[in-house]
Amino acid sequence: EIVLTQSPATLSLSPGERATLSCWASQSVSSFLAWYQQKPGQAPRLLIYDASNRAPGIPARFSGSGSGTDFTLTISSLEPEDFAVYYCQQRSNWPPYTFGRGTKLEIK
Amino acid sequence: EVQLVESGGGLVQPGGSLRLSCAASGFPFSHYSMNWVRLAPGKGLEWLSDISTSSGTIYYADSVRGRFTISRDNAKNSLYLQMSSLRAEDTAVYYCARDSHTIDGMDVWGHGTTVIVSS
Repeated sequence: EIVLTQSPATLSLSPGERATLSCWASQSVSSFLAWYQQKPGQAPRLLIYDASNRAPGIPARFSGSGSGTDFTLTISSLEPEDFAVYYCQQRSNWPPYTFGRGTKLEIK
Repeated sequence: EVQLVESGGGLVQPGGSLRLSCAASGFPFSHYSMNWVRLAPGKGLEWLSDISTSSGTIYYADSVRGRFTISRDNAKNSLYLQMSSLRAEDTAVYYCARDSHTIDGMDVWGHGTTVIVSS
């Protein structure tokens, strides 16, 4: 089973700042990695697929990069609605479709 | 509107059973593979199970294999999760999610139903 490690566990930033979230895979997942956003009490939302492609309707301030084992989600300039928990998910070697433990992005 | 609505959650004693349902609307349900995912208190998302369009291929996470059963009724546009031998660690919000046709990810999610396993 592929294990995904997300860092940091919590990230405290202010609106307007740039956010960089990391996800490392225990073995290569090529580019088969997705990112999801989840706000309290809401369903998860798909942001990025295939490591670097924005899902339909996702703002351009969200971008993904990486391949193999190292991946990054970047939010170029934080909006108030971006403060949430972010999860990476590998879609290379399944089952299972493993998720990372998440990064909580909180307002500083 | 494309929508998934879960139901069937509640309070159940350890060792008990519960059946969750997920009603789909706004898209051709029979054309999509479907998943169950959960979020336990203080933990991250956990994928539980996947079922193909015709129910011909089914996968489970190790944590629920042998205790949970996924199924679907395409005529009723519905997905199910039969849960048995429930444990305290199964306490979570349970989501159904659709596998996209066009992109590699789960593109439509329900808002979840809460299961609490406690005596």
